[in-house]
Amino acid sequence: RKEVEQDPGPFNVPEGATVAFNCTYSNSASQSFFWYRQDCRKEPKLLMSVYSSGNEDGRFTAQLNRASQYISLLIRDSKLSDSATYLCVVNSFSGGYNKLIFGAGTRLAVHP
Amino acid sequence: SQTIHQWPATLVQPVGSPLSLECTVEGTSNPNLYWYRQAAGRGLQLLFYSVGIGQISSEVPQNLSASRPQDRQFILSSKKLLLSDSGFYLCAWGQGAYNEQFFGPGTRLTVL
Repeated sequence: RKEVEQDPGPFNVPEGATVAFNCTYSNSASQSFFWYRQDCRKEPKLLMSVYSSGNEDGRFTAQLNRASQYISLLIRDSKLSDSATYLCVVNSFSGGYNKLIFGAGTRLAVHP
Repeated sequence: SQTIHQWPATLVQPVGSPLSLECTVEGTSNPNLYWYRQAAGRGLQLLFYSVGIGQISSEVPQNLSASRPQDRQFILSSKKLLLSDSGFYLCAWGQGAYNEQFFGPGTRLTVL
C-alpha cells in the first residue's frame, strides 16, 4: 500500500462547480497534513495546511478524519484558474526526522 | 519575506557528464533544506535532507550527492549522469514542528 494515495483524475468540471478530492494515508502517527497546488511544469505551492479536524480558506475547505486516515479538499465555485494538479501531502516522522510524503496528485481541469 | 532561488532553470546534459545544481534561500536563517526529484508524471521523491551546514542525510541510494557549504546554500551534484537522472529537481526549505515546506522554481534536467 502506498503511504499517500490519491485518485489521479482527471476531474473535468464546468466553471462554478463544486469538486472534492480525497486522499488516504497509511501512517496513523502523522500529525500534520497539507494540500499543495502544482501548475504544469512549475513547482508545487502550498495551498492549505491541516493540523486539526479541518481548515477553510475562501472557496477551499480541507477536512481531516484521523480515525479513517483520510483527508479531503473541497473547492467551491470552481474557476478556470483552479485548473492544476493538487497534491496531498502528509508529514511523517521517519529515520529520526520529519519528512513530507507526497501523493502522486489529482489533476483538475475546469472548463467554460 | 523568504525567497528561494534555483539555477539553472533548464539543463541538457550528455550521459556520463558531471552535474551541479545550486539552491539558495533568502530571508531566513538555519532552515531545513531538501532536494526532491519529480520524474515525468510521477510524485515527488525526497533525495536529500539537511538540518545545518555540512549535515546531509540521503534518502535513497543513487549516484547523486549533496552538500551544504553555507547556511542558506544547498548543492546537488553528480560525477557521472545516467539517463535515469532526467527529471524535475526541486529544492525546498522548511521550518517549524509541522514541517511546512516551500519550493524553489526547479531545474528541469534532460540527460541524453
